[in-house]
Amino acid sequence: ETGVTQTPRHLVMGMTNKKSLKCEQHLGHNAMYWYKQSAKKPLELMFVYSLEERVENNSVPSRFSPECPNSSHLFLHLHTLQPEDSALYLCASSQDLVRQGENQPQHFGDGTRLSIL
Amino acid sequence: QKEVEQNSGPLSVPEGAIASLNCTYSDRGSQSFFWYRQYSGKSPELIMSIYSNGDKEDGRFTAQLNKASQYVSLLIRDSQPSDSATYLCAVSGGYQKVTFGIGTKLQVIP
Repeated sequence: ETGVTQTPRHLVMGMTNKKSLKCEQHLGHNAMYWYKQSAKKPLELMFVYSLEERVENNSVPSRFSPECPNSSHLFLHLHTLQPEDSALYLCASSQDLVRQGENQPQHFGDGTRLSIL
Repeated sequence: QKEVEQNSGPLSVPEGAIASLNCTYSDRGSQSFFWYRQYSGKSPELIMSIYSNGDKEDGRFTAQLNKASQYVSLLIRDSQPSDSATYLCAVSGGYQKVTFGIGTKLQVIP
């Protein structure tokens, strides 16, 4: 149990579908993140939220739309995805972004394995 | 371009040996450094964080940071088969910009 729960664990969707990934953290953290992990590539940071405000959008295509209604929940809305979007999507949280000049370690959920047909 | 470089491996060590994992980074302004362990099919979990030059020990794990040479390493003493995993190096230059390496796959041979 990592304290960060992601649903669903697996998702198969067509390119024209709309779906959402959900992340919930039970750690009382203030910052939340979405990452994409593809085979043989480093983790790619997609979005960062701090106290429900988006603070980073790493040139992610608009077919990915994040939503953070409160500090415990984070969503990633998916629309008109491409086959190259098939990957493991990881949610993470940290106490804060930075504390006393030090970036805070992140706690990851188990991820959603996404397959685009 | 900011990068974090790791040898993807696999790095094979016999049980009981010391495993040495290395990471170099390109951004001289980096201030925070992390090692995560990721078992196959699982999420990354934090092993160590280090912020100052020198060594930091936690049980069988020692992180070493040399900002002048821009490298950070992780030593695992008395390696066990359960240590077999991919080890991710993560580096941050401040605020929210954390960059991960591709990870080194470690295999501990019984």
